[in-house]
Amino acid sequence: QSVLTQPPSVSGAPGQRVTISCTGSSSNIGAGSDVHWYQQLPGTVPKLLIYGNNNRPSGVPDRFSGSKSGTSASLAITGLQAEDEADYYCQSYDSSLSGSGVVFGGGTKLTVL
Amino acid sequence: EVQLVESGGNLVQPGRSLRLSCAVSGFTFDDFAMHWVRQAPGKGLEWVSGISWNSGIMNYADSVRGRFTISRDNAKNSLSLQMNSLRADDTAFYYCAKDNAGEPLLPIFVFWGQGTLVTVSS
Repeated sequence: QSVLTQPPSVSGAPGQRVTISCTGSSSNIGAGSDVHWYQQLPGTVPKLLIYGNNNRPSGVPDRFSGSKSGTSASLAITGLQAEDEADYYCQSYDSSLSGSGVVFGGGTKLTVL
Repeated sequence: EVQLVESGGNLVQPGRSLRLSCAVSGFTFDDFAMHWVRQAPGKGLEWVSGISWNSGIMNYADSVRGRFTISRDNAKNSLSLQMNSLRADDTAFYYCAKDNAGEPLLPIFVFWGQGTLVTVSS
């Protein structure tokens, strides 16, 4: 069971807007830890999509955006395209864990209808 | 162009050892922390270990601490993961990942290798 909770799946039609939630607690997101998002297209390796809650690396379309509030974060995708079909993971830091505290969400599979 | 190329994955029996390597090019290796992240087939991501730019900080997930050892050779632009006492639940693709900072404490995995598959089975 992941420290960060994501819905197992979300779906949307082309052109629509979808959001993926990442719910944490007072020891991670609620404590102010940054949230990062990764996209894993089918059969490929993860790619950094959003870092520091709401920043896009060079080359990531502005259709992708991130936000954070309280103990949760969200990834929003507008103008949904077929090529967005992928698994999405959130990642943050949890101060209550031994070791380094690096945590991932369980992942969300986005299906474009 | 940043390149991270993992090698060393294989089928190994429970209790045995394996050493993974990651050859790096395309950036100044000794400026950045590096990590290993794994993904069991069909499952999610799990951070395994991280090492600072100068090997001064090494940290591990609870699931591997005491069995795995991370190391790097800045002269050879190489990252390694020595895995001992392997268990069936260590079966996964192992990815080498570049951090955006020199310390592995609050990582952002800015670039990932293609991964190498470790299968632990009798």
